[in-house]
Amino acid sequence: GAGVSQSPSNKVTEKGKDVELRCDPISGHTALYWYRQSLGQGLEFLIYFQGNSAPDKSGLPSDRFSAERTGGSVSTLTIQRTQQEDSAVYLCASSFRGGEQETQYFGPGTRLLVL
Amino acid sequence: AQSVTQLGSHVSVSEGALVLLRCNYSSSVPPYLFWYVQYPNQGLQLLLKYTSAATLVKGINGFEAEFKKSETSFHLTKPSAHMSDAAEYFCAVTGGDYKLSFGAGTTVTVRA
Repeated sequence: GAGVSQSPSNKVTEKGKDVELRCDPISGHTALYWYRQSLGQGLEFLIYFQGNSAPDKSGLPSDRFSAERTGGSVSTLTIQRTQQEDSAVYLCASSFRGGEQETQYFGPGTRLLVL
Repeated sequence: AQSVTQLGSHVSVSEGALVLLRCNYSSSVPPYLFWYVQYPNQGLQLLLKYTSAATLVKGINGFEAEFKKSETSFHLTKPSAHMSDAAEYFCAVTGGDYKLSFGAGTTVTVRA
């Protein structure tokens, strides 16, 4: 079956511009996660969606970052007024129900470069 | 809070030699531990996970890991390295919630 897909695979933008990153989780998975992978900070949790519950936004680094999940499936991560320190690989993952024992399946990531 | 520490940011092994990647965890609750592999320009792929069912866990591609509570460790091993094992490996932990906390990663190179 299809895995987690993300688009675009690469994004180059200028400082100050807004960007949107998209994630399509595995069909039937109710839990969706965003992580960021950067040279300085490693892999960091950003945000978590589970069904119709309020998302856990505790990992978002600033109020320039936001995310939504429409219809319990596709998610969009938006970064407003991008800064050079936002350059990183943004990874999306999904799991069946979101339990702590569950395997999180990762997409290939979106590589963001802010000039 | 939970965290993991991976000892050694880079490991170089000869083809056919033992691969040993070290991971120590810290958790205030019973941990669930994971090893993921990342090939260049790809996402993370699960190798194996510990969920308290058995302390010796076997995963894909011939890898295995042993959970040792007394040593707070979850080291990853493979008896015989293959060129295709060259990648970056991440140890991760959850405990009490769903957020994966990752180690810094270990890059494995395999010499012919």
